[in-house]
Amino acid sequence: NAGVTQTPKFRVLKTGQSMTLLCAQDMNHEYMYWYRQDPGMGLRLIHYSVGEGTTAKGEVPDGYNVSRLKKQNFLLGLESAAPSQTSVYFCASSYSRSGGTDTQYFGPGTRLTVL
Amino acid sequence: GQSLEQPSEVTAVEGAIVQINCTYQTSGFYGLSWYQQHDGGAPTFLSYNALDGLEETGRFSSFLSRSDSYGYLLLQELQMKDSASYFCAVRDRGGGFKTIFGAGTRLFVKA
Repeated sequence: NAGVTQTPKFRVLKTGQSMTLLCAQDMNHEYMYWYRQDPGMGLRLIHYSVGEGTTAKGEVPDGYNVSRLKKQNFLLGLESAAPSQTSVYFCASSYSRSGGTDTQYFGPGTRLTVL
Repeated sequence: GQSLEQPSEVTAVEGAIVQINCTYQTSGFYGLSWYQQHDGGAPTFLSYNALDGLEETGRFSSFLSRSDSYGYLLLQELQMKDSASYFCAVRDRGGGFKTIFGAGTRLFVKA
């Protein structure tokens, strides 16, 4: 099992450019998440999905869009990148449908720089 | 809304015991988790408490008091490899059981 994978690992964008980050998991998990991590600020939830075809906003959703067309994939899109979106982006997945232990498995991260 | 507070840094000596505290505010608490993250790496799950009391996993233990909205992570027999950031995270009923993370505690283990 590969677990949770993310592509790309690194990316440099110019302000105004767009891009899509891809997250894939092979554990048949229902829940998937996108976080951003900035120095001293922990992990902040951008968007999440509780199942195929569903998405919901997290703490910091502005400037991002997501799609979950297939259960194993969760895409994060930046339509018009801004320097404030320079960050490390982590994708995670978990099995739990509702309540109970929510062990999240994280991907290796994508380091994004917006110039 | 939800919020979590934990100390930003803790320093301890190899072989010692260290406790990292976490207090939280949430409208629909469902459980408290702890994650470890080494520099440049991804967070990894350590423990989860849904009920009051102590959960033990090897050298690591986690405690929860729901009435005090408080929990802690206890690391025993500290090793140099335990130097990392530790995050508490609250599972909240609102919006489909999403999880909110604290800002993290950086643990430095000295020889």
